[in-house]
Amino acid sequence: DTGVSQDPRHKITKRGQNVTFRCDPISEHNRLYWYRQTLGQGPEFLTYFQNEAQLEKSRLLSDRFSAERPKGSFSTLEIQRTEQGDSAMYLCASSSRADTQYFGPGTRLTVL
Amino acid sequence: SQQGEEDPQALSIQEGENATMNCSYKTSINNLQWYRQNSGRGLVHLILIRSNEREKHSGRLRVTLDTSKKSSSLLITASRAADTASYFCATDRGAQKLVFGQGTRLTINP
Repeated sequence: DTGVSQDPRHKITKRGQNVTFRCDPISEHNRLYWYRQTLGQGPEFLTYFQNEAQLEKSRLLSDRFSAERPKGSFSTLEIQRTEQGDSAMYLCASSSRADTQYFGPGTRLTVL
Repeated sequence: SQQGEEDPQALSIQEGENATMNCSYKTSINNLQWYRQNSGRGLVHLILIRSNEREKHSGRLRVTLDTSKKSSSLLITASRAADTASYFCATDRGAQKLVFGQGTRLTINP
């Protein structure tokens, strides 16, 4: 399957710990997006990469959050000093043009 | 903040009936997309309609767009149990990010 993949699918951590998620986009896609989705809500945009350049960040992305896409392929999203309010589904998407975005299965984070 | 609002928030129908969901948004857009999400899973892209299009079909799906009213509708015909999911509209204002509504939870009863 050559769709978007995310790892891990589930992560349980204690408050104050750091966590890192990985996203592998569809191979020919140069655009990569991160979204966060809480229960009962639609996804909310976090950040966007075109190749290795991070072109836009939401104000939702506090200084505890950092995202990278070092070689313009896979991306990582790190959350430092996790808080209970960080519990959510973190979704990654990729696209080859500025239209259809294809989403991965998501990483569900639970902060205890 | 989320731009789109879906209506209704929840919809329950019998298998074989048609399901209609509506989406309203606030600002001008380049395109509008509909996604499906099964419980606890990622989003599956259903259909994209551009701002200069008024109607689009894909299999049992029909999407309309009225830019003067800033609204869109998704019609699923001859519903099946497998259509049970949450449906989201997402608007693209050309800013490289999608803005999602809160979704419609559709339940198809056998």
